Amino acid sequence: AQKVTQAQTEISVVEKEDVTLDCVYETRDTTYYLFWYKQPPSGELVFLIRRNSFDEQNEISGRYSWNFQKSTSSFNFTITASQVVDSAVYFCALSELANDYKLSFGAGTTVTVRA
Amino acid sequence: KAGVTQTPRYLIKTRGQQVTLSCSPISGHRSVSWYQQTPGQGLQFLFEYFSETQRNKGNFPGRFSGRQFSNSRSEMNVSTLELGDSALYLCASSLGQVVSTDTQYFGPGTRLTVL
Repeated sequence: AQKVTQAQTEISVVEKEDVTLDCVYETRDTTYYLFWYKQPPSGELVFLIRRNSFDEQNEISGRYSWNFQKSTSSFNFTITASQVVDSAVYFCALSELANDYKLSFGAGTTVTVRA
Repeated sequence: KAGVTQTPRYLIKTRGQQVTLSCSPISGHRSVSWYQQTPGQGLQFLFEYFSETQRNKGNFPGRFSGRQFSNSRSEMNVSTLELGDSALYLCASSLGQVVSTDTQYFGPGTRLTVL
């Protein structure tokens, strides 16, 4: 069963538009960790954020913000005022005790920002 | 601090050959994980090493193996290559404990093409 679902396969926006990436996860553990990674065309996965299950505070880092809602098992990611450099594949991942804290990745969402 | 390094970056092999990929973790990190990324299967966990011991293994055939050295550097080996082994192989390092909840930082990957 898919542990992490990223329903959006591709999103295309024009520069300066906001874009929200959805992530829905599934776990029976009470302690777990959620991550977002960015994979630019170069291939390297770049760590963006880590959130544990006990911290439901939303977080903002520059143009990036994250909305964690345990009630809906979602951990959505918003890029505000997108830029061409934001073009990449974005992965949501789950780390849970039931899986020995191995990372389970979603399928990824490809974001294309057009100038 | 230098990031995770992987060598070689690109590799072309033929079916039936074997290949060894190398990963040097971030200095001070003791845990190394390997992932396979393909368009069809996405990002899949291969194995994890901590203090020279394999701590976790994903659902891959025995042709995939790895090891970790005392300096935390890791190698993975794929024997009797098949066309389906063509993929981006990503290595990630973390500070690590026996059961690690630490954030994983990824290298640029090795692009393996099997002809």
